[in-house]
Amino acid sequence: NAGVTQTPKFQVLKTGQSMTLQCAQDMNHNSMYWYRQDPGMGLRLIYYSASEGTTDKGEVPNGYNVSRLNKREFSLRLESAAPSQTSVYFCASQGTWSRTDTQYFGPGTRLTVL
Amino acid sequence: AQSVTQPDIHITVSEGASLELRCNYSYGATPYLFWYVQSPGQGLQLLLKYFSGDTLVQGIKGFEAEFKRSQSSFNLRKPSVHWSDAAEYFCAVAPDPGANNLFFGTGTRLTVIP
Repeated sequence: NAGVTQTPKFQVLKTGQSMTLQCAQDMNHNSMYWYRQDPGMGLRLIYYSASEGTTDKGEVPNGYNVSRLNKREFSLRLESAAPSQTSVYFCASQGTWSRTDTQYFGPGTRLTVL
Repeated sequence: AQSVTQPDIHITVSEGASLELRCNYSYGATPYLFWYVQSPGQGLQLLLKYFSGDTLVQGIKGFEAEFKRSQSSFNLRKPSVHWSDAAEYFCAVAPDPGANNLFFGTGTRLTVIP
């Protein structure tokens, strides 16, 4: 049981390049999330998927797109990377769409945009 | 504005000393409250959570937190800190009934000296 896995662990992009961050969970969870973590700002929600087939914007969605490929996988795409997107990105999953449930986090992807 | 405030950016304590990390929130309704810990290079792990009932909640690794409605606070405590507790600690709030978007504080970095 690997929990939440993210690939890649590290990535360096040039401004304008595109890339997709991959996230998968093996806990049969319904809900999945993408956050970014910046120094002094905590974690901020980019997009979430309450259940398979649905996605919604979070607090900071501009410059990103997501795909809930299936119940296990939730990818985050940067179409044209900007230096402001330099950050650490975390994927999380949760069993149900409920405030009482626990979110489980992946190890993160450290992205640098030059 | 709605917010989660962790007023201490960095705290240093001696091993064996007690610890209290502060968290204040400014959401109107009674939110659901969480404390997460992030070890260096790792994702976040849930320490404890509060929904209702007894205002003193116990978590993993010997941590506890007390909800004080009158002070809009949810402070994390540990009676005796171990060197392995060195990490970053995040308070989080799920403010809206029916939704489960977490809003995080900016974190408190804990250093433990021998």
